[in-house]
Amino acid sequence: GENVEQHPSTLSVQEGDSAVIKCTYSDSASNYFPWYKQELGKGPQLIIDIRSNVGEKKDQRIAVTLNKTAKHFSLHITETQPEDSAVYFCAADQSGGSYIPTFGRGTSLIVHP
Amino acid sequence: DAGVIQSPRHEVTEMGQEVTLRCKPISGHDYLFWYRQTMMRGLELLIYFNNNVPIDDSGMPEDRFSAKMPNASFSNLKIQPSEPRDSAVYFCASSQGFWDTGELFFGEGSRLTVL
Repeated sequence: GENVEQHPSTLSVQEGDSAVIKCTYSDSASNYFPWYKQELGKGPQLIIDIRSNVGEKKDQRIAVTLNKTAKHFSLHITETQPEDSAVYFCAADQSGGSYIPTFGRGTSLIVHP
Repeated sequence: DAGVIQSPRHEVTEMGQEVTLRCKPISGHDYLFWYRQTMMRGLELLIYFNNNVPIDDSGMPEDRFSAKMPNASFSNLKIQPSEPRDSAVYFCASSQGFWDTGELFFGEGSRLTVL
């Protein structure tokens, strides 16, 4: 089955800095790569996703990049704000294009004012 | 819509007791998922349903765990008997299907503590 590795497990930045979270996946048949944000005491919430026919996608201060050859994908957050502090999960869909996500272990992002 | 509703939000029980966690998905969503979150293992998919039918339960850890979806608006996850290692946050999520979006909508979770 799909295996998703996520790094780093913890990321601490100053407000205004950029943050980058990286993930790798194992199944070359995966086609869908969502990112979820989990705030304290809440369930994860989708913030952005990318499909395998696209190399990059942006939405305001967040962007995702995908390298299918290397099986890498990354989340970039620019001009970080304290409200960006949360746990971020990357995911890749299970083989066969099922859209059922297998999640990485999560990155705890802390943005210091 | 109120979103995915889970109950209870917190449950503390003693080893050996039966635990029942409940979920009401978003109306119109065809898929329902049960995930377990722990520090050690992250977010693990336990089981998911499509149109009330269990599709993949390979993530259910052992026979002590069972899940049902008797109708489109309700699912439960049971643990009998419960053990301390079952302590975790259990999330239910629903999705309208994957034709144009793969988004899962999560509930706020049920935090289970087994003493």
